[in-house]
Formats: sequence, structure tokens, C-alpha cells
Amino acid sequence: DADVTQTPRNRITKTGKRIMLECSQTKGHDRMYWYRQDPGLGLQLIYYSFDVKDINKGEISDGYSVSRQAQAKFSLSLESAIPNQTALYFCATSDRGLALDEQFFGPGTRLTVL
Amino acid sequence: AQSVTQLDSHVSVSEGTPVLLRCNYSSSYSPSLFWYVQHPNKGLQLLLKYTSAATLVKGINGFEAEFKKSETSFHLTKPSAHMSDAAEYFCVVSEPGGYQKVTFGTGTKLQVIP
Repeated sequence: DADVTQTPRNRITKTGKRIMLECSQTKGHDRMYWYRQDPGLGLQLIYYSFDVKDINKGEISDGYSVSRQAQAKFSLSLESAIPNQTALYFCATSDRGLALDEQFFGPGTRLTVL
Repeated sequence: AQSVTQLDSHVSVSEGTPVLLRCNYSSSYSPSLFWYVQHPNKGLQLLLKYTSAATLVKGINGFEAEFKKSETSFHLTKPSAHMSDAAEYFCVVSEPGGYQKVTFGTGTKLQVIP
């Protein structure tokens, strides 16, 4: 089984709808992250969480919110989806310790907002 | 402020020929540097990382990269390309000070021609 899983893998929705993307991990890592990937832009950090009680905004958090329900679960919500939130979304985890160490990525969720 | 530039958005090589993917960085500190690979419809996987130890870093699948401080470069190489190397590659720079100082490059798509 994959260490970092994301659901759904693909989602098409309409402008104004509320959407939740879920991420679960079995790696036992404390740190979890949400990124979005747009063609030609690399990955941009939306939110990150260093433990259940510690959630921080990344560089592009506007229009998004998150919930860290447990050490293993980190959800990303779009309260009112808009077309420019169409992107590939990745969840990632890393272990406590050096903040610069390896991150482990989920397979991604492709979101289309019409 | 840190930054990372991947000099080529697309690279095409013939199978069995060398691969060179170029990455230049800018950092006010001694950074850590990473290369990740993303195969189609997959998440990102760490290829290799430099964290101030040996300047020549060996990674998985025959890839290696050399940290050159004088040139602020961290180019990724492989002596002989394989069809399975076709993917997108991301150079990443991290500085001390917490997660928010991680920056992804915009990616280089590697095409391998039979």
C-alpha cells in the first residue's frame, strides 16, 4: 500500500462549490504539506503543518483552508471554488528533524473547476 | 531571498546518450539542494540531495549531481539515458530557518528518443 494517499484522484466541480481534498499517511511523520502544481510553475506551497496543533500558511493560501484531523490526516478545502484553482494538488510528508530533509509525496489530485 | 532556475524547460536525448539537466540557485546561506523526479500521473520522488557533505552526490537510477558553489550550480547528470528516465525533473533549494524557505524550480521535461 502507498505510504501517502490522496482522495479523490480526479475531481471536476463547478464554480462556487465547496471541495475537500483528503490526504492520509502511514509513514508516521509529523509534518504534512499541501502544494499545487501548475504547468511551467513548479510546486507552490499552500499550507503546512508540523504537528496536529501547528498549521501554517504557505505562499499561496488565499482561497484555501486546511484541517489536521490527526497525525495521519491533513485535508485541504476550497470553500468556494473558482476556475483558477484548477490544478494538480499534492500532499507531502516529512519526518521531524531537519526541516530541509526529504519529503514524500502522494500521487496527486487533479482538480478541474468549471 | 533564495531562488532556483532550471535553465531548460524541455530536454530531448537519444537512448544511451548522456543526460544533463541544468539548475542554478541563489541563496544567502549554505543551502541544501535536491532533485526530484515526477513520472506521468505520479507524485514526486527524491532522486538525490546535497546537504553540505560531499559535493558529488549520487542518487538513484544512475543519476548524480555536482554542487559547485563558485558557479551556484547543481546540475543533474546520467551517463546513459534509458527510456524509463522520461519524466519531469525538479530542482529544489532549501535554506535554514524553517520550511517556508523551500523553493521548487519550474521543472525540466526529459524526453528520451528510442
